[in-house]
Amino acid sequence: DAGITQSPRHKVTETGTPVTLRCHQTENHRYMYWYRQDPGHGLRLIHYSYGVKDTDKGEVSDGYSVSRSKTEDFLLTLESATSSQTSVYFCAIKKPGGGETQYFGPGTRLLVL
Amino acid sequence: AQKITQTQPGMFVQEKEAVTLDCTYDTSDPSYGLFWYKQPSSGEMIFLIYQGSYDQQNATEGRYSLNFQKARKSANLVISASQLGDSAMYFCAFPVFGNEKLTFGTGTRLTIIP
Repeated sequence: DAGITQSPRHKVTETGTPVTLRCHQTENHRYMYWYRQDPGHGLRLIHYSYGVKDTDKGEVSDGYSVSRSKTEDFLLTLESATSSQTSVYFCAIKKPGGGETQYFGPGTRLLVL
Repeated sequence: AQKITQTQPGMFVQEKEAVTLDCTYDTSDPSYGLFWYKQPSSGEMIFLIYQGSYDQQNATEGRYSLNFQKARKSANLVISASQLGDSAMYFCAFPVFGNEKLTFGTGTRLTIIP
C-alpha cells in the first residue's frame, strides 16, 4: 500500500465546467505526479510537483493546472472541461531508494459530457 | 529524446508456460533504468520490477525477471510459470531527465489461457 488516495473516484461532468481532482499521500514524499490514461496511449504525464508550490508541465498539460500548497496534497484542475478530457486520471508519488520507483493511486474515472 | 516501444499489443499464452513481454528503448544517456508495471482489469497500476543499466545481474522478483540487453536496447519482462492471475496489461516505463519523470510504453495485453 503506497498510502495514496484519490478523490473523487468517479465523476461525470458537463463540458465547460471546472473540475478539481485531489491526490493525497500519507508519507510526505517530495515528488507527486498526475497522469492520464487513454486507450492506445499508455500513461501520459500531465503535470508534476517536486515540492510545495514547485510544479512543472508534462507532455499533455494544455487545459490543466495544478496546485500543491501542502506536501501531502496535489490538486489537478480542469479549467473548462472538454470531452477530450474524458479519461482515467492517476496520481503517483516517487519514493526514494533503488530506482526511485513511482507508486500509483487507484485512479479517477472522469466522463465529460 | 528518449523513446520507449512495446511492439506486442496483445499476447495469448497457455497457463504454466513462460512469457516474454518485449520492450525496447532509445536513449543516449550513459546511465538509465527501466520499470515494469502491471495493470489488471480492476485498473490499479502495480509496480513489478526495476533494473538500472549498471546492474550486473538481471533483476528478479519472484516469478518476474528482467532480461536487460543493453546492446540491443531492450529490457524484456519474463514471467515464469504463468498463472491465470497474470492476465493484465503490462507497461514498461523509462526514466527521463534524471529520473524526474517517466515515459510509458503503450502496453501489452497478456491473456493467460487455462
